[in-house]
Amino acid sequence: EVHLLESGGGLVQPGGSLRLSCAASGFTFSSYAMNWVRRAPGKGLEWVSGIRDSGGSTSYADSMKGRFTISRDNSKNTLYLQMNSLRAEDTAIYYCAKADSGTDATSHFYYYMDGWGKGTTVTVSS
Amino acid sequence: SYELTQPPSVSVSPGQTASITCSGDNLGDKYASWYQQKPGQSPVLVIYRDTKRPSGIPERFSGSNSGNTATLTISRTQAMDEADYYCQAWDSSVVFGGGTKLTVL
Repeated sequence: EVHLLESGGGLVQPGGSLRLSCAASGFTFSSYAMNWVRRAPGKGLEWVSGIRDSGGSTSYADSMKGRFTISRDNSKNTLYLQMNSLRAEDTAIYYCAKADSGTDATSHFYYYMDGWGKGTTVTVSS
Repeated sequence: SYELTQPPSVSVSPGQTASITCSGDNLGDKYASWYQQKPGQSPVLVIYRDTKRPSGIPERFSGSNSGNTATLTISRTQAMDEADYYCQAWDSSVVFGGGTKLTVL
């Protein structure tokens, strides 16, 4: 069974930094892409960032580019999110999510998230 | 950038069928997934690759995707189905719809 445990959230002042971690177990971590997804108060789910299984390819939502950095340590089964220059609008619950992706028999690409952590809360406020 | 549009809210009576739509340009050419999120809980995958149900998801949940619209259908809706539902697709990166609050009256 997929188990993902986020940590590292907390209260930080605007302009500050935080590093989130996600410890994974129950699956072969190095074989799957991983993502960070957040939900701000009163808002819907928002994809933050993703990383390929090997860590060689990363992507970010436009509002996070240049401020957030996703990384992973496959030897430690751990996913990270370094968040710099934090803003009040970054206040949210941040979820770590395991992705399943591939190409089917008709060369049709699929990508979905089949395992989620419980989330860690980030509050950006002075 | 690619956008997915969902109705903000849907209401249904217990035992009836609820349909939640997700619209996007040529969405039928992509795979759609659906997630359920109840208050204070993490999202749960309920439909992937348009129509497939993960193990443990009741058969009452089904999905379809054609043209510009994907639809999540919940048959024989129960009070426990009350939640926020999100569609998701891939367009060079992960894209979520804005979410639909399902109320079981």
